[in-house]
Amino acid sequence: DAKTTQPPSMDCAEGRAANLPCNHSTISGNEYVYWYRQIHSQGPQYIIHGLKNNETNEMASLIITEDRKSSTLILPHATLRDTAVYYCIVRGTGTASKLTFGTGTRLQVTL
Amino acid sequence: ETGVTQSPTHLIKTRGQQVTLRCSSQSGHNTVSWYQQALGQGPQFIFQYYREEENGRGNFPPRFSGLQFPNYSSELNVNALELDDSALYLCASSLWQGRVSGTQYFGPGTRLLVL
Repeated sequence: DAKTTQPPSMDCAEGRAANLPCNHSTISGNEYVYWYRQIHSQGPQYIIHGLKNNETNEMASLIITEDRKSSTLILPHATLRDTAVYYCIVRGTGTASKLTFGTGTRLQVTL
Repeated sequence: ETGVTQSPTHLIKTRGQQVTLRCSSQSGHNTVSWYQQALGQGPQFIFQYYREEENGRGNFPPRFSGLQFPNYSSELNVNALELDDSALYLCASSLWQGRVSGTQYFGPGTRLLVL
């Protein structure tokens, strides 16, 4: 699975959009970009995933560049409950397609 | 809530002992993956089970073993516990359909402390 690079930390004011970047320059054509978040000491929570098109669900939007070498997770209206570590993961879909977690981005949402 | 449950929530063991952790999959899922998360680090893949057989393994020694049952629930067994085995153990369930492995959904984890 391709490696990802994320900034170690970011701050965001409550009510504003949080834009979390991720670089995955070695991604292969059949690999998806997944985003999970982990609130302190809880299990990782699935947020969204995509292959090449932009995706949106009730939690967030995922913007993938045309060359697929980077992506951005957007939380449109961040709240204090969005404070967490966000992991960007590149993953294939074959058997035993594990998730390889990096160090993620620690997002701090403030008043 | 993902529907993935784990037990126990917390556990304290001493070095050299053995431990068994349990995981119940989300309804409709047939694959279980186990991860170890040391303090301050991201989760690390231990192994995955599909159709009651190990289906991929990370860089963990043989004293880490597992089982998957016909109802798709799973156990993680760790023998000869070491201090470094202290961690949050996470299980994730997913649906494997043909050639495509679906999204993994995590349980709340079991926190193991080895003294």
